[in-house]
Amino acid sequence: GAVVSQHPSRVICKSGTSVKIECRSLDFQATTMFWYRQFPKQSLMLMATSNEGSKATYEQGVEKDKFLINHASLTLSTLTVTSAHPEDSSFYICSARVRTGGQPQHFGDGTRLSIL
Amino acid sequence: QKEVEQNSGPLSVPEGAIASLNCTYSDRGSQSFFWYRQYSGKSPELIMFIYSNGDKEDGRFTAQLNKASQYVSLLIRDSQPSDSATYLCAVNRDSSYKLIFGSGTRLLVRP
Repeated sequence: GAVVSQHPSRVICKSGTSVKIECRSLDFQATTMFWYRQFPKQSLMLMATSNEGSKATYEQGVEKDKFLINHASLTLSTLTVTSAHPEDSSFYICSARVRTGGQPQHFGDGTRLSIL
Repeated sequence: QKEVEQNSGPLSVPEGAIASLNCTYSDRGSQSFFWYRQYSGKSPELIMFIYSNGDKEDGRFTAQLNKASQYVSLLIRDSQPSDSATYLCAVNRDSSYKLIFGSGTRLLVRP
């Protein structure tokens, strides 16, 4: 149980393009989803907390107008990287927390974003 | 001072040995503690979590928590080459469920 699906797994696109990444909880309802970014040989850095039906909460230093988050349902959150630039190239990972009980976060497989 | 600190390693152990991974945290009010394993190019997978002082065992893995010393560790018994990965310690400070990750310790199990 507690499967989180993330799509796409890899994106390569030109500078200036906007990219949407989907995160779905397949077999449970997730009130809260989290978006992380991981640069090579570094740890995961939390970008934002996505709450179903409300605005996302962004961590300090993360541009909310650049990283648009939508959590329209209890099973789907999306992250849109707007006007992506090479410095946005990274490994983006979502996680979800089971709605009832169950503290641990379960991670999606990640999306490797490469901006040319 | 980082909120969650880990030795980056690599920690090299022979196959069959016990691997001991350590993590310290700075916020004394931290509530929950997690160990994730991450293979290169993959996302983290949960190994164990612990809330209370003491030991928690699951198969070959044992998590140890000492809140007084602000220290959490992961022991891997009978280490296998497939255990070679980066092990991430994560701490949850409050009811927001946000996780603060350490930088990870790379474990190498030699055949």
